[in-house]
Amino acid sequence: GQNIDQPTEMTATEGAIVQINCTYQTSGFNGLFWYQQHAGEAPTFLSYNVLDGLEEKGRFSSFLSRSKGYSYLLLKELQMKDSASYLCAVLDSNYQLIWGAGTKLIIKP
Amino acid sequence: DGGITQSPKYLFRKEGQNVTLSCEQNLNHDAMYWYRQDPGQGLRLIYYSQIVNDFQKGDIAEGYSVSREKKESFPLTVTSAQKNPTAFYLCASSILEISAEAFFGQGTRLTVV
Repeated sequence: GQNIDQPTEMTATEGAIVQINCTYQTSGFNGLFWYQQHAGEAPTFLSYNVLDGLEEKGRFSSFLSRSKGYSYLLLKELQMKDSASYLCAVLDSNYQLIWGAGTKLIIKP
Repeated sequence: DGGITQSPKYLFRKEGQNVTLSCEQNLNHDAMYWYRQDPGQGLRLIYYSQIVNDFQKGDIAEGYSVSREKKESFPLTVTSAQKNPTAFYLCASSILEISAEAFFGQGTRLTVV
């Protein structure tokens, strides 16, 4: 079966750095997406990785290792508005998105 | 402003009634999707459509129906056959490219009493 694993919840301090991990086992791989979702709202796109390595976009970076079936989202200089759920999704060999359950990130002052 | 609109945001229905959730986009996207989101679970695909007058079942299509008569619109009907319809429903659209990001509507929280 196909599986995406993320931690259920993480807590971090304002101004700090946090790394949210995602491991996947899917039938094929055509890329990995990260989305941010505030409670009761729509997910919004953060990043897409298809090649190994780190993609940096401002305070957010996303890393991919295809051989390990592993990705992480790195958030720097955390702000209170970063409190949200972070969803990892993999595009499988049928070009269908397989979604993780999301990681709820709590930022404390 | 271009975007994707779902309505209503909150919906209450009695058990046994069919209900239709609206989804409209003016982004000129070919692909549209309906997802269901339950606490502690990833988004699950109900139906998707890549072209007008054509749509495909997703992983949990039973008890749901859709239509795609116009490129802009992809309404979802939750029928009385859906055994556990209370959930948060998200509509999304995208262009037909592998790396394309999906744009989501604000979601509809359906409660069946």
